Amino acid sequence: AQRVTQPEKLLSVFKGAPVELKCNYSYSGSPELFWYVQYSRQRLQLLLRHISRESIKGFTADLNKGETSFHLKKPFAQEEDSAMYYCASTFSGGYNKLIFGAGTRLAVHP
Amino acid sequence: GAVVSQHPSRVICKSGTSVKIECRSLDFQATTMFWYRQFPKKSLMLMATSNEGSKATYEQGVEKDKFLINHASLTLSTLTVTSAHPEDSSFYICSARSSGGSGNTIYFGEGSWLTVV
Repeated sequence: AQRVTQPEKLLSVFKGAPVELKCNYSYSGSPELFWYVQYSRQRLQLLLRHISRESIKGFTADLNKGETSFHLKKPFAQEEDSAMYYCASTFSGGYNKLIFGAGTRLAVHP
Repeated sequence: GAVVSQHPSRVICKSGTSVKIECRSLDFQATTMFWYRQFPKKSLMLMATSNEGSKATYEQGVEKDKFLINHASLTLSTLTVTSAHPEDSSFYICSARSSGGSGNTIYFGEGSWLTVV
């Protein structure tokens, strides 16, 4: 089955510490991977997508097809990074529906 | 960026009644819209994919007769929860796919809280 796995429900770090939010996918084809962020009381926002290979707000993510992973990283966490982060993937077939992982709450402490 | 708007943001209805939630793409045309359900502290569960002018594609386990989806135009999709029960109480989120600009991008609405009493 097509699945996106985020093993950590909560990641708690101190300001300035490195952050890595893990994401693995299960799909034998060529998925498109995304990271979405949801700040408190706000709607989901696209953070980045693997095809863009860009860095947004200091976050980067590299698609590793061998490990079927798309981990989100930031070298120095900021308090304003505290939010829910969802890894998501589109799978071919039909209308490229977006499937979400369970989400990881990042809490950055001062 | 592109905006997706949902209405109402909060609705309370009595058990047994039906309630409609609208999802509009305000500044782009969306041939495909998606409806999700999110339980407290849980992830988004895809309910169905809505395509303009055709029947929605429902995910396994989602009752299509209970959750009616209509996508009558390129900017509007509606979700109607029929004969609502308290267990239908949830946060419903829609998203819309924009095919312009930098490619296929999915934008999310702000969500609609449904409480069935």
